[in-house]
Amino acid sequence: DTGVSQDPRHKITKRGQNVTFRCDPISEHNRLYWYRQTLGQGPEFLTYFQNEAQLEKSRLLSDRFSAERPKGSFSTLEIQRTEQGDSAMYLCASRSGQGRPEAFFGQGTRLTVV
Amino acid sequence: EDQVTQSPEALRLQEGESSSLNCSYTVSGLRGLFWYRQDPGKGPEFLFTLYSAGEEKEKERLKATLTKKESFLHITAPKPEDSATYLCAVMPGTASKLTFGTGTRLQVML
Repeated sequence: DTGVSQDPRHKITKRGQNVTFRCDPISEHNRLYWYRQTLGQGPEFLTYFQNEAQLEKSRLLSDRFSAERPKGSFSTLEIQRTEQGDSAMYLCASRSGQGRPEAFFGQGTRLTVV
Repeated sequence: EDQVTQSPEALRLQEGESSSLNCSYTVSGLRGLFWYRQDPGKGPEFLFTLYSAGEEKEKERLKATLTKKESFLHITAPKPEDSATYLCAVMPGTASKLTFGTGTRLQVML
């Protein structure tokens, strides 16, 4: 068990470009979350998968954001036409569907839009 | 809507000076209250889950307690390596997502 893995760790992109982030959850975890965190704030929920099904999306999530989890394994988060306000840490977390509710986080992807 | 408020925003302690961090919450049917530690530039690291009022959990110099409206994270005789941001989060009984507070930034000085 190597924990939740996120790639890349850092991404600098120009405004208007598209970016994609990857998350590999803990292998036996069927629930996967994406959160966004800005400086001085706690993580903010974006979206949630159970296996390959996307069960919930934040009302705050722009149409420019899309997430997938093909075959219920890794997940990708894509941001189209990036804006400076998208600059943040994007965190992925996973948890088991059996019993214990705690989620385990990856190290995050730091996005800077210039 | 679920809400989590943490206080103080920042806390500076001398090594060995014990203190407590507060997490006040409102949630529709608590499934769990969680404490995480976050170092700069890293993802949150899980510390504790508390499920019901009166429950306590301990790990090294940290002890978490829970009432129906708030949770405390007690830090006993802290060391500089305890310096981090401590995040509190709740999960309601009707959903699977976590709602976080803004955290308490703890600095422990030598």
